Amino acid sequence: EVQLLESGGDLVQPGGSLRLSCAASGFTFSNYAMTWVRQAPGKGLEWVSAISASGGDTFYANSVKGRFTISRDNSKSTLYLQMNSLRAEDTAVYYCAKDITGDWPRGVFDIWGQGTMVTVSS
Amino acid sequence: DIVMTQSPDSLAVSLGERATINCKSSQSVLYSSNNKNYLAWYQQKPGQPPKLLIYWASTRESGVPDRFSGSGSGTDFTLTISSLQAEDVAVYYCQQYYNTPYGFGQGTKLEIK
Repeated sequence: EVQLLESGGDLVQPGGSLRLSCAASGFTFSNYAMTWVRQAPGKGLEWVSAISASGGDTFYANSVKGRFTISRDNSKSTLYLQMNSLRAEDTAVYYCAKDITGDWPRGVFDIWGQGTMVTVSS
Repeated sequence: DIVMTQSPDSLAVSLGERATINCKSSQSVLYSSNNKNYLAWYQQKPGQPPKLLIYWASTRESGVPDRFSGSGSGTDFTLTISSLQAEDVAVYYCQQYYNTPYGFGQGTKLEIK
C-alpha cells in the first residue's frame, strides 16, 4: 500500500525551529518529486515547498523562503522540512504529498499523508 | 504569482442534482506548446487530507467516479458533479501547476440541501 506518514509536529515558541519528517512506503521514493502543503486551522491549502526526485532542485513559497529548507534522504525514503524562525502564521497542519509523475516537480499531488500539526505560540 | 479564485464559496445541492463549482485564474494556465491546461481539482472531507480528483483540467484520476468531470481552458474552469451523492459532501479546491508557487483556490464547501 502506498503510504506517507508525517511526524515531528509540535508546539514551538515564535522564533523557534522544528524539523518535520515524512516516511514513504509502497512506492519507489527516489523516482518521484515530493512536496509540502500546509493548512492553517479552518483555512484553505497553501503550497509550501517542492523538491525534485534527486534532491538537487528545490522550490519555495515566498512566505517561507529563507526560513524553511526542504530535503530528502532517498536511502531512507524520507522527506524533511526544516523550519526556522517560526512565526504564529506558520501554525498549520503540514501535509507531505507525492508528485504524480517523474523526477521533476509536476505540481499534481496524487498521494497525501495524514498531516502533522505545527503550533507556533508563546 | 497566479491567483486562483473559486465561486461560490459554499453551495447546497439536493441529492441527485448537479453541482457546479467555478475556478478562475489571474492569468492563463494553458501552456501553448502542448495545449494543456495546468489545472487540478481536489476534494477534502472533514478530518482528511485532500484527494486528487482531476488534472490537466479534465483528466479524472484513477478510481474517481465518472460523475465528477472537469472542463474549461485558459483562465476559466468548472468542476461538475453530475448527480450529487451524500459522500460528495466536502470542500473542493482548484489548483494551478503552471508555475511555482503552485496556487490553490480558497475552496468551495459543498453541502446537501
